[in-house]
Amino acid sequence: QVQLQESGPGLVKPSQTLSLTCTVSGGSISSGSYYWSWIRQPAGKGLEWIGRIYTSGSTNYNPSLKSRVTISVDTSKNQFSLKLSSVTAADTAVYYCARTLGWFDPWGQGTLVTVSS
Amino acid sequence: DIVMTQSPDSLAVSLGERATINCKSSQSVLYSSNNKNYLAWYQQKPGQPPKLLIYWASTRESGVPDRFSGSGSGTDFTLTISSLQAEDVAVYYCQQYYSTLLYTFGQGTKLEIK
Repeated sequence: QVQLQESGPGLVKPSQTLSLTCTVSGGSISSGSYYWSWIRQPAGKGLEWIGRIYTSGSTNYNPSLKSRVTISVDTSKNQFSLKLSSVTAADTAVYYCARTLGWFDPWGQGTLVTVSS
Repeated sequence: DIVMTQSPDSLAVSLGERATINCKSSQSVLYSSNNKNYLAWYQQKPGQPPKLLIYWASTRESGVPDRFSGSGSGTDFTLTISSLQAEDVAVYYCQQYYSTLLYTFGQGTKLEIK
């Protein structure tokens, strides 16, 4: 079955750019009518959808983050990526990637990104 | 934005008893052209990602025990656990996908054993 795994730096300095990659295994990222999303969760808090991408490259972003977010896809590597610029401490969270059909399933295990100098 | 509001924020239920979690959307998530409610439910245990339980408001994901059920339509939805088991202790979230420009989640309901 399809599995997702996030990777990237666990520590990012304020004002810098957070970069994460999600690797999809067990199936092609291009198969099916799926979008691929990033979602984050600050410690002890709820879930916030960041944005999604289709394998054509079409994207949708949360308006609250849109000015700072870029999601891209590399179908040759079966990966999609997140870039979040000008980060602050408020961007500290566990970041999840997930396959999307409206609902999210499956999810990656998540990766903690801390914004600190 | 479609705001999702869950109630209660926390809930303690005895083993074997029924647990009920409510979710209300600020606008209808029922799409009239296909008569489907664009609502999902998730279970999240500590240190784990959320797990999909229910989509289309009432369709149980494969492998999810049948003690979990979803109901409701329009703006008011319910997740019911018919007979609480110890392994059901978790935080539960609802999510709307009616607005494809902005998916939103409820704030979560923490379910504990009484």
